[in-house]
Amino acid sequence: DTAVSQTPKYLVTQMGNDKSIKCEQNLGHDTMYWYKQDSKKFLKIMFSYNNKELIINETVPNRFSPKSPDKAHLNLHINSLELGDSAVYFCASGTTGGAQTQYFGPGTRLLVL
Amino acid sequence: SQQGEEDPQALSIQEGENATMNCSYKTSINNLQWYRQNSGRGLVHLILIRSNEREKHSGRLRVTLDTSKKSSSLLITASRAADTASYFCATVMEYGNKLVFGAGTILRVKS
Repeated sequence: DTAVSQTPKYLVTQMGNDKSIKCEQNLGHDTMYWYKQDSKKFLKIMFSYNNKELIINETVPNRFSPKSPDKAHLNLHINSLELGDSAVYFCASGTTGGAQTQYFGPGTRLLVL
Repeated sequence: SQQGEEDPQALSIQEGENATMNCSYKTSINNLQWYRQNSGRGLVHLILIRSNEREKHSGRLRVTLDTSKKSSSLLITASRAADTASYFCATVMEYGNKLVFGAGTILRVKS
């Protein structure tokens, strides 16, 4: 009955590889988000999709490409992984506009070696 | 840059004591929210206060908002060991469409 789920939970990979993280929400929300939390716990929004349409793209390198096949799913593909991409990536969902409560997934811990 | 700055960065108290965390922000807001993050987990929404509200309660949580000082505080009364977590404030700017998080306060409640 998980509201927002992410896979995988852990991801260890070599520099230069390409990887994907998947996110699904069963809350019926129309907006989904990707956040990056660095080692100092700073949480920063990366992307937001509303009804499969990209509405926020926060100066993220174009190696990161989100894809929303439907409004319940938002995946994140990362090309040519770099050491600095190591972080925890959180998916979240909410209602239109981001002004209300957001529900977060458990996070994907990415370590790039 | 971070919209919110939280204070203190870390707080250690005994079970049963009250914990107060503060958040300051820079621009006019639509609302301010508090989230909790347990170690190794995702964030959980605690409470939302709108810009035209001054105080809200939810169980042992009390949130105040002072828009003239651009600051908010979260009070947890009668703390429990299970309250040990990081607490983040997040703001939605006026006419904004995203949450901007502060750096968080790490709360440790000792039993």
